[in-house]
Amino acid sequence: KQEVTQIPAALSVPEGENLVLNCSFTDSAIYNLQWFRQDPGKGLTSLLLIQSSQREQTSGRLNASLDKSSGRSTLYIAASQPGDSATYLCAVCSDSGAGSYQLTFGKGTKLSVIP
Amino acid sequence: EAGVTQSPTHLIKTRGQQATLRCSPISGHTSVYWYQQALGLGLQFLLWYDEGEERNRGNFPPRFSGRQFPNYSSELNVNALELEDSALYLCASSLEGTGGLAEAFFGQGTRLTVV
Repeated sequence: KQEVTQIPAALSVPEGENLVLNCSFTDSAIYNLQWFRQDPGKGLTSLLLIQSSQREQTSGRLNASLDKSSGRSTLYIAASQPGDSATYLCAVCSDSGAGSYQLTFGKGTKLSVIP
Repeated sequence: EAGVTQSPTHLIKTRGQQATLRCSPISGHTSVYWYQQALGLGLQFLLWYDEGEERNRGNFPPRFSGRQFPNYSSELNVNALELEDSALYLCASSLEGTGGLAEAFFGQGTRLTVV
């Protein structure tokens, strides 16, 4: 059974700082890994999708890396801004048996960027 | 292009009643996924529908059920509501038939409160 862990659970940084969020997963046989952002009480916004054959993806100030063999991914946020404050969720897509698959989520890292 | 839309935004029900939640996927997406996000528990996979069929089901009791209509919209029904069913219910859609490679896009969720 796939399990996804995100550390730290919460992070507070001053504006302008670069930061790294960590995600680890127990079964390296994944199809892809996705990073999401969730604002309080809201839905999820997709940030980056990394296919299992890829090592990293970049979008603006965000860079996500994937090391499938070690079961790890990192989300790097450059020059953080107060608007980046949210919960960041990591999810992996993997087999769930009988020819099916599903996304398994970590519990997220709650980021606060202090002005 | 419209994203994934969910209705209603908020729903308050009494214990023992039934709740019906609705989801419209992004145009062209054939797969719809339902997740429950209860306080402190993270996102838990509920159901996956594709082309009108249930493809996968999470570890939830049978009183959680749903269906997908010919236009790919979906309903989630929760019967015999219990207090612990109070949660944010999130719907996601993706292009299917791509072996788990598709990016998932989420709606804003329905907040179900059982009193």
